[in-house]
Amino acid sequence: QKEVEQDPGPLSVPEGAIVSLNCTYSNSAFQYFMWYRQYSRKGPELLMYTYSSGNKEDGRFTAQVDKSSKYISLFIRDSQPSDSATYLCAMSHTDKLIFGTGTRLQVFP
Amino acid sequence: GAVVSQHPSWVICKSGTSVKIECRSLDFQATTMFWYRQFPKQSLMLMATSNEGSKATYEQGVEKDKFLINHASLTLSTLTVTSAHPEDSSFYICSARDDQSSYNSPLHFGNGTRLTVT
Repeated sequence: QKEVEQDPGPLSVPEGAIVSLNCTYSNSAFQYFMWYRQYSRKGPELLMYTYSSGNKEDGRFTAQVDKSSKYISLFIRDSQPSDSATYLCAMSHTDKLIFGTGTRLQVFP
Repeated sequence: GAVVSQHPSWVICKSGTSVKIECRSLDFQATTMFWYRQFPKQSLMLMATSNEGSKATYEQGVEKDKFLINHASLTLSTLTVTSAHPEDSSFYICSARDDQSSYNSPLHFGNGTRLTVT
């Protein structure tokens, strides 16, 4: 079993839709949770960073962490074609990050 | 914000030759940098942790003699793929963490190097 599971998609939604991206994990020691966005042939860029359980909102993005269920989510409101990218969840309890496989999102006009 | 510069962004080499990839932190110091490899439609896999002033730490299954890492200064780490073969073709990405931030703060990534070995 992988430490971090993420549906690779692709996920295709119309512009303006609410997008829900999710990851599950098996290591209960994980305490730090991140979402990165990666455009094709580029390095990942940090979107959200949360510690332990709870919600965090930043503009159109909301990150949720449920440590009891070992489940994290990223919601994107009013999705735009420019949001089309691969979204990677990442988590850690040490200085190393463990990544999910990434979910490819396509937002069509 | 913290910027990590990676060079080259794209390289083609012949089988048996060596390729060097540079990773620089432009506006912060990084005692530790990380090197990842990403195959198409797959996740980032950590290859090694690069430490300034000491030997790199390699993940299980990564050949240290094939992937040479040199962390010469607090702003520069290099990855050399020696005697490259077609199966080494991949997307190599470096990342760094600002020394001023905590050990568990997010990593900043370079834009990656696409290596193609013919």
